[in-house]
Amino acid sequence: GENVEQHPSTLSVQEGDSAVIKCTYSDSASNYFPWYKQELGKGPQLIIDIRSNVGEKKDQRIAVTLNKTAKHFSLHITETQPEDSAVYFCAAAYSGNTPLVFGKGTRLSVIA
Amino acid sequence: ETGVTQSPTHLIKTRGQQVTLRCSSQSGHNTVSWYQQALGQGPQFIFQYYREEENGRGNFPPRFSGLQFPNYSSELNVNALELDDSALYLCASSSGLAGSSYEQYFGPGTRLTVT
Repeated sequence: GENVEQHPSTLSVQEGDSAVIKCTYSDSASNYFPWYKQELGKGPQLIIDIRSNVGEKKDQRIAVTLNKTAKHFSLHITETQPEDSAVYFCAAAYSGNTPLVFGKGTRLSVIA
Repeated sequence: ETGVTQSPTHLIKTRGQQVTLRCSSQSGHNTVSWYQQALGQGPQFIFQYYREEENGRGNFPPRFSGLQFPNYSSELNVNALELDDSALYLCASSSGLAGSSYEQYFGPGTRLTVT
């Protein structure tokens, strides 16, 4: 089955700097790669996703890149703000309505 | 925030007991997936319900069971609770079958503690 590895497990950045979180997956049949942000005491919130027919997607300060050949994808957050502090999870699935396989998460701390 | 709601918010049970968790899906969504999130881990897929039928199951024993109702709300039942069942239980709402829709939206979760 699918296996998703996520790095780093913790990341601290200064406010205004960029943050990058990387994930690799094992199943070449996976076609859908969402990213979730989870704040303390809340459920995961979908922040951006990418499908296999696209190499990059941006939404304001957030971007995701996908390299299907290498089976890795990354989340980029620019101009980080304290409210970006949370745990971020990457996931992979055959399609969005099929089971998501999650990485173990990255705890991002943005220091003001 | 998503329109997915879960109840109760927190629950404390004793080993061996049974528990029922509830989820109301987002308006217009007919599919509910349940996930278990242990402390410090990513969510793990338990099972999915589409139009009241189970539509896929993860690596969880039969004492984890579920239901989906005609209004697409769902229940997760766990029998013979074990200490390792302590976790945050999340439901995710989506529409359609595989390939027809992509996004899954999570509720706030139910924190279950088994003592």
